[in-house]
Amino acid sequence: DTEVTQTPKHLVMGMTNKKSLKCEQHMGHRAMYWYKQKAKKPPELMFVYSYEKLSINESVPSRFSPECPNSSLLNLHLHALQPEDSALYLCASSQAGTGAREKLFFGSGTQLSVL
Amino acid sequence: GENVEQHPSTLSVQEGDSAVIKCTYSDSASNYFPWYKQELGKRPQLIIDIRSNVGEKKDQRIAVTLNKTAKHFSLHITETQPEDSAVYFCAASWPTGGFKTIFGAGTRLFVKA
Repeated sequence: DTEVTQTPKHLVMGMTNKKSLKCEQHMGHRAMYWYKQKAKKPPELMFVYSYEKLSINESVPSRFSPECPNSSLLNLHLHALQPEDSALYLCASSQAGTGAREKLFFGSGTQLSVL
Repeated sequence: GENVEQHPSTLSVQEGDSAVIKCTYSDSASNYFPWYKQELGKRPQLIIDIRSNVGEKKDQRIAVTLNKTAKHFSLHITETQPEDSAVYFCAASWPTGGFKTIFGAGTRLFVKA
């Protein structure tokens, strides 16, 4: 299984809602990532988890809260978002540690619209 | 801070011609340089990558070169086809509890039949 699965594929939420994005992989990867991609822009790194521990937080607002409950799952909890947070949210995974393990495997993304 | 610059932002070529996209990176700790192709509405897909201990790598019509001293790397696509039309992103990556990967701004490639 070389897939990274993200749900839901599309999400529309109001600014007062709480929702969660989910990501799952069964490749035995121990590093997982959240990226945000606005239209016609590159993916922008938000969070990195390595061995289920948060290793990088790119100064993301607290209305985005990541969680890595186990080595296969990654969640992104959303609360009190702003319309400018509307974007494609991409999850990715890779092997961790040293050596040739850098290749990112991306999920198909969740297209988020905040009204 | 870390930065990856990519040029050109748009590239239009005739089918069969070659296309070249160039990138520069700022952090000398970068040791892995992937290139991604992203079609509209799809996820980024890795098309080729190169590590810092290699100067050139080729895979059929695609090649990548790396000049570590100058911090430059380039993507070369030969014999372009209409299905090569997409947005291409270069990226630079380095290990830091997982890997930190920073993307260039992207190049929109149009291949005219």
